[in-house]
Amino acid sequence: GQQVMQIPQYQHVQEGEDFTTYCNSSTTLSNIQWYKQRPGGHPVFLIQLVKSGEVKKQKRLTFQFGEAKKNSSLHITATQTTDVGTYFCAGGIAGNKLVFGAGTILRVKS
Amino acid sequence: GAVVSQHPSRVICKSGTSVKIECRSLDFQATTMFWYRQFPKKSLMLMATSNEGSKATYEQGVEKDKFLINHASLTLSTLTVTSAHPEDSSFYICSASLSSGNTIYFGEGSWLTVV
Repeated sequence: GQQVMQIPQYQHVQEGEDFTTYCNSSTTLSNIQWYKQRPGGHPVFLIQLVKSGEVKKQKRLTFQFGEAKKNSSLHITATQTTDVGTYFCAGGIAGNKLVFGAGTILRVKS
Repeated sequence: GAVVSQHPSRVICKSGTSVKIECRSLDFQATTMFWYRQFPKKSLMLMATSNEGSKATYEQGVEKDKFLINHASLTLSTLTVTSAHPEDSSFYICSASLSSGNTIYFGEGSWLTVV
């Protein structure tokens, strides 16, 4: 079946350092979505990318969708302690189904 | 904005009993809702697609007789874990959207513990 690989599994950074998580799909996606889940919480939608090569920014977060619509990245500039959580990518496939990556756990040391 | 509510947020049940989890779209109609399962520190695994007025579509490996899904109205889908076993203990979460291509909203999730 379709898979979305996400790396790294875990990253521990010093506050102020940058952070990037990468996702790669085995097949072409209709869109890629990114979610953040805090410990004990539920996934919260961050953004959706639809177009090939699309880049979107939300303050310190930069999201990219690859030209082939198979890979994506989330980059956080100058991390803050409020950025802690698990970041999931989710590849959109037919019928609004999502195939989630394994997630990257981000910890920020102050 | 659109909100999806799940109930109960936490439930403990005895082995062999059944548990029902509700997923409601509070301010929009959702013809399709999705049910996911998440194990601790793991990703979300799609279990089934709940379609209003018709049978749910289950993902490979998910027992439809074990996880009963009913989508009786445009704002409510229910997941019933039948004859629960300890290995069914998990975080169950639903999602819904206005229509295909729109933002997907997740419920708060339901923690199920089977003892």
